[in-house]
Amino acid sequence: DVKVTQSSRYLVKRTGEKVFLECVQDMDHENMFWYRQDPGLGLRLIYFSYDVKMKEKGDIPEGYSVSREKKERFSLILESASTNQTSMYLCASRPGTAKNIQYFGAGTRLSVL
Amino acid sequence: RKEVEQDPGPFNVPEGATVAFNCTYSNSASQSFFWYRQDCRKEPKLLMSVYSSGNEDGRFTAQLNRASQYISLLIRDSKLSDSATYLCVVNIPSDNAGNNRKLIWGLGTSLAVNP
Repeated sequence: DVKVTQSSRYLVKRTGEKVFLECVQDMDHENMFWYRQDPGLGLRLIYFSYDVKMKEKGDIPEGYSVSREKKERFSLILESASTNQTSMYLCASRPGTAKNIQYFGAGTRLSVL
Repeated sequence: RKEVEQDPGPFNVPEGATVAFNCTYSNSASQSFFWYRQDCRKEPKLLMSVYSSGNEDGRFTAQLNRASQYISLLIRDSKLSDSATYLCVVNIPSDNAGNNRKLIWGLGTSLAVNP
């Protein structure tokens, strides 16, 4: 079974803090993604990566950055957290050969106070 | 017009009922289509891909109508465990040349199966 692990299920941070969300997959997938999911807005793509050290902006990259130093790990960074970044964050991975089927981690519910 | 639209529901049905959801998409260049299931406070999980000729997996049937640009999901003999949100996902070109593609997620249709 594919396993995508997100380091935290719940996080509470203060405005202005730097926040790291970690995601690890154990299936040697080339592609990894970070989404946020909000009521009424659905899943929105923040950033994705097709390979190590490679990153591409998604639909809502503002206020976020990412890092992919190793194939199995994709980190999402909030440089200075703001209250409007309170959300459910979902990491996903996908093998290069798959027809866009994505495997998700359990999610991190982040609250910024 | 949204790229992918779903009726949010909720659909409340009794156990054993048959229920159908539709999802419309706006981009005629869409190539791949999927239904994902998301339980409350859990991550989305692939339920089934949708093939041009239609496909079935047990009690679940998915169909694609390219002419009218919609896909559907039919659930027969509903179980309590089918209660979830069903997300429609469409793969569309992400640039004008059509060289790159991306997934567009619907907001989901909520289903509650009642005893």
